[in-house]
Amino acid sequence: GAVVSQHPSWVICKSGTSVKIECRSLDFQATTMFWYRQFPKQSLMLMATSNEGSKATYEQGVEKDKFLINHASLTLSTLTVTSAHPEDSSFYICSARPRSRGAETQYFGPGTRLLVL
Amino acid sequence: GDSVTQMEGPVTLSEEAFLTINCTYTATGYPSLFWYVQYPGEGLQLLLKATKADDKGSNKGFEATYRKETTSFHLEKGSVQVSDSAVYFCALSGRPDKLIFGTGTRLQVFP
Repeated sequence: GAVVSQHPSWVICKSGTSVKIECRSLDFQATTMFWYRQFPKQSLMLMATSNEGSKATYEQGVEKDKFLINHASLTLSTLTVTSAHPEDSSFYICSARPRSRGAETQYFGPGTRLLVL
Repeated sequence: GDSVTQMEGPVTLSEEAFLTINCTYTATGYPSLFWYVQYPGEGLQLLLKATKADDKGSNKGFEATYRKETTSFHLEKGSVQVSDSAVYFCALSGRPDKLIFGTGTRLQVFP
């Protein structure tokens, strides 16, 4: 149990276009979802935390107008990279936390690799 | 701020060798400490955890002890297998709802 999927697993897009990444909890309801970004040889950096039905909380330095997060249901959160540029190329990972569980109880998706040309 | 430092990889071992992956941390307060593992093509999975000083977390033959005096949480396994090949992340729980990760260490085990 506790499976989280991400779609797509990889995407290549042209500079200036927008890309949407989906994160789904397949067998549980996720009241909280997290979006991370990982650069090569660097740690996972938390970008934002989203709670179902409310606005996402962004970490310092993350542009909320650039990275739009929607958590419209208990099983789906989306990250939209708007007007993507080459510097947005990265590995994006989501995680989902079931209701009433602590911070360490996060189930991670396999990640989405974004390449912006 | 809180941070986690772990050894760079890759770590390359022969099957049945002893494994140590070093992890040290900086934190205010008394965080919980974790090791996550990421197998190829899969998401991170919690491998083990320790919630207070001197606690030992263990799972699948892996162990790590929460050492407050040295601010360390080194991962060990007595005899690795090819199937242990993966990327291992050390992490701590920062402010509520936030996990802080190290850079990850790739382990490659050869038969």
